[in-house]
Amino acid sequence: AQSVTQLDSQVPVFEEAPVELRCNYSSSVSVYLFWYVQYPNQGLQLLLKYLSGSTLVKGINGFEAEFNKSQTSFHLRKPSVHISDTAEYFCAVSELYGNTPLVFGKGTRLSVIA
Amino acid sequence: DTGVSQNPRHKITKRGQNVTFRCDPISEHNRLYWYRQTLGQGPEFLTYFQNEAQLEKSRLLSDRFSAERPKGSFSTLEIQRTEQGDSAMYLCASSFVVRPHGGDTQYFGPGTRLTVL
Repeated sequence: AQSVTQLDSQVPVFEEAPVELRCNYSSSVSVYLFWYVQYPNQGLQLLLKYLSGSTLVKGINGFEAEFNKSQTSFHLRKPSVHISDTAEYFCAVSELYGNTPLVFGKGTRLSVIA
Repeated sequence: DTGVSQNPRHKITKRGQNVTFRCDPISEHNRLYWYRQTLGQGPEFLTYFQNEAQLEKSRLLSDRFSAERPKGSFSTLEIQRTEQGDSAMYLCASSFVVRPHGGDTQYFGPGTRLTVL
């Protein structure tokens, strides 16, 4: 079984500052990794996903994440945040080649301060 | 492509009543998922369909929960004899899968917020 730990429940950051949202996972098999964003009163939207290949994955809205197999991490980064990035961010994992569902972390609330 | 839609967006009911939620996936998506999200938590998987076949239902929270996708298009999630602990956001997602591999991108609807009084 897989599990996901998002190490920070809330991250406040000033506008135009860089941000890193941390995600660690646990699995006995190889996995796919995802980051989703949830804006208020909206559904989750995929930011990026890692399936294979390059460990640095670029997503929408200037976000990127790096898969680190040895540290079982998939941290999300953005070099300069905007007010509009204020949202809840969820890291998720699913089993490679399996029909297993997504397993989500508890989320990190990013608050961008003007 | 109008996205995944869910109805109703909000449902308030009294304990013991039955409720049914509807999800309309993106057209031509063959997979449909149901999740539950409680305050301060990430979405929790409940069940999913490949076309009209329900491939996983062991994660449904109790036998009071059931889901259908009769024609492989829209789906319904029913909760019988609701309890206060059922209060949550119920999310639906859909995806298109050519072959099962677990890496499909799921597109989520806005959710149905259930409040059980």
